[in-house]
Amino acid sequence: TQLLEQSPQFLSIQEGENLTVYCNSSSVFSSLQWYRQEPGEGPVLLVTVVTGGEVKKLKRLTFQFGDARKDSSLHITAAQPGDTGLYLCAGAKTSYDKVIFGPGTSLSVIP
Amino acid sequence: NAGVTQTPKFRVLKTGQSMTLLCAQDMNHEYMYWYRQDPGMGLRLIHYSVGEGTTAKGEVPDGYNVSRLKKQNFLLGLESAAPSQTSVYFCASSYSYYEQYFGPGTRLTVT
Repeated sequence: TQLLEQSPQFLSIQEGENLTVYCNSSSVFSSLQWYRQEPGEGPVLLVTVVTGGEVKKLKRLTFQFGDARKDSSLHITAAQPGDTGLYLCAGAKTSYDKVIFGPGTSLSVIP
Repeated sequence: NAGVTQTPKFRVLKTGQSMTLLCAQDMNHEYMYWYRQDPGMGLRLIHYSVGEGTTAKGEVPDGYNVSRLKKQNFLLGLESAAPSQTSVYFCASSYSYYEQYFGPGTRLTVT
């Protein structure tokens, strides 16, 4: 059973479009992280959210942590081919727990 | 700084052979991890370490052993490789359990 679920599993969009991907759980997490993994490389940390309702922006990427700290979303504005990759969310129930990873959303941005 | 490095990058083994994957980090992180990544399964934790001389089992430890004799190095061993161990292996390190920094991966094929 996946404690962290991500949707959609795959997403293919045209350059310039907006998109949102989701990370959901039935459990409460003390923090959630988002990573991006490009083909043939390791995941790279994008952001950590720790407070319910928190919104963080990283250029064209907007991350939100749900009020109940059970879900998170990643919104990309005006997607570019360089955004192509696997987006992974990861969470820890407490600061002393190991992080668990979701299965990822594979994004393809077509020029 | 090199960050997290892994050797080798690629390896092909025959069933029953043994090998060791080496992970090195230069960020003075206490925590180190070994994951395997398989299509549709996400990142699964094999073993981890919370400091020099310590190791602990993760989600999928069977068939693998690890050692952390030096703070900067974390070794993953396969004593008798099986085709089910064909995967991409990632090492990561962190100051705490979250916000992990990943290496570039080792692609292992067992025939």
